[in-house]
Amino acid sequence: NAGVTQTPKFRVLKTGQSMTLLCAQDMNHEYMYWYRQDPGMGLRLIHYSVGEGTTAKGEVPDGYNVSRLKKQNFLLGLESAAPSQTSVYFCASSLRDRGSYGYTFGSGTRLTVV
Amino acid sequence: AQKVTQAQTEISVVEKEDVTLDCVYETRDTTYYLFWYKQPPSGELVFLIRRNSFDEQNEISGRYSWNFQKSTSSFNFTITASQVVDSAVYFCALSETGGGNKLTFGTGTQLKVEL
Repeated sequence: NAGVTQTPKFRVLKTGQSMTLLCAQDMNHEYMYWYRQDPGMGLRLIHYSVGEGTTAKGEVPDGYNVSRLKKQNFLLGLESAAPSQTSVYFCASSLRDRGSYGYTFGSGTRLTVV
Repeated sequence: AQKVTQAQTEISVVEKEDVTLDCVYETRDTTYYLFWYKQPPSGELVFLIRRNSFDEQNEISGRYSWNFQKSTSSFNFTITASQVVDSAVYFCALSETGGGNKLTFGTGTQLKVEL
């Protein structure tokens, strides 16, 4: 089925380890986003991309890097994980013109940093 | 900067009661979109409704209804005759045009529907 796929779904990291979260969409959407969800804080935007080869900072970008080498993929990297990065991460995508479809979200990645 | 406020952190109701979830937003744009999402205990985000700033018509979908009032910058969500399956966290969100169409979420309202 068409949509947004996040890999992995769960991960436990030790403090200082690095990892990359993968987001893939097959809807030919131009825009992609990474959010984190923490209890009582809703979803907050980490980074986003308006097209292949472009990225921009969101509300809470510190400690994360992103890359969009291909239109369908948006990678979120943690170079040196910290316990404060324990969260649920959601990827989303949208058309430049949101039309009737709005945003499509992945199912989330639950990350625990110990 | 855009902002979405959901002042109700948690609401508990008994099944079959009606419940309204409040959403107040701030934006400088004249063109924007408002959304409601449901997040059940399983964790995924379920899209409920999208409304653009030029369409102030209220909408009804089954037991769900939405009241959009630009004069008070509010986009409230009412569930009629609530059911246990409605128990979830509900998020209101705002998207402005341009600048990557970033979606700003409220902090969510936890709705608990009990028998």
